[in-house]
Amino acid sequence: AQSVTQPDIHITVSEGASLELRCNYSYGATPYLFWYVQSPGQGLQLLLKYFSGDTLVQGIKGFEAEFKRSQSSFNLRKPSVHWSDAAEYFCAVGAIGYSTLTFGKGTMLLVSP
Amino acid sequence: DTGVSQDPRHKITKRGQNVTFRCDPISEHNRLYWYRQTLGQGPEFLTYFQNEAQLEKSRLLSDRFSAERPKGSFSTLEIQRTEQGDSAMYLCASSLDRNRAGFNYGYTFGSGTRLTVV
Repeated sequence: AQSVTQPDIHITVSEGASLELRCNYSYGATPYLFWYVQSPGQGLQLLLKYFSGDTLVQGIKGFEAEFKRSQSSFNLRKPSVHWSDAAEYFCAVGAIGYSTLTFGKGTMLLVSP
Repeated sequence: DTGVSQDPRHKITKRGQNVTFRCDPISEHNRLYWYRQTLGQGPEFLTYFQNEAQLEKSRLLSDRFSAERPKGSFSTLEIQRTEQGDSAMYLCASSLDRNRAGFNYGYTFGSGTRLTVV
């Protein structure tokens, strides 16, 4: 079975600074990987996804993520954080042949002025 | 299309009562998923449908939980004899199956139903 680890429960970043949120997955083959964002009391919005091909994927709101097979990682990055990026971020993995996604526990991003 | 709609947004119920939630997916999506999210956790899979067929159920879905998607459109999730441990956000998502979606595959989530059992 697949699993996802997001090692950081909370991260605080100054507005305008760069951001990297970590995600490690466990799965025996090439997974489908996703990053979602959730604002308080809301559902999840898809930021980006990786299925195959180019290991650097671009998403919405200026986010990107890089798939590194050797490290079983799919870290989310943004070069300059805006106050509106404060939210909870979830990494998820999907397995080929399975329809469901397994989510990490999330990383809460706080943006300081 | 206005996305995935869930109703109600919030529900407070007394322990032992039954509750039912509704999800209206994106109309062209043939798959519908229910997830549960508790405080400090990521969403956990409960069950999913392809059209009207319920194809998979998680071990989290106890006998008190039942889900239906009678005409392959909207879905309902019922919890009987609610317990305080059922308090959570219940999220619905929809998608096309992978064969049809191709590289557009991905879930669209609703805003969720927040259940509080007192």
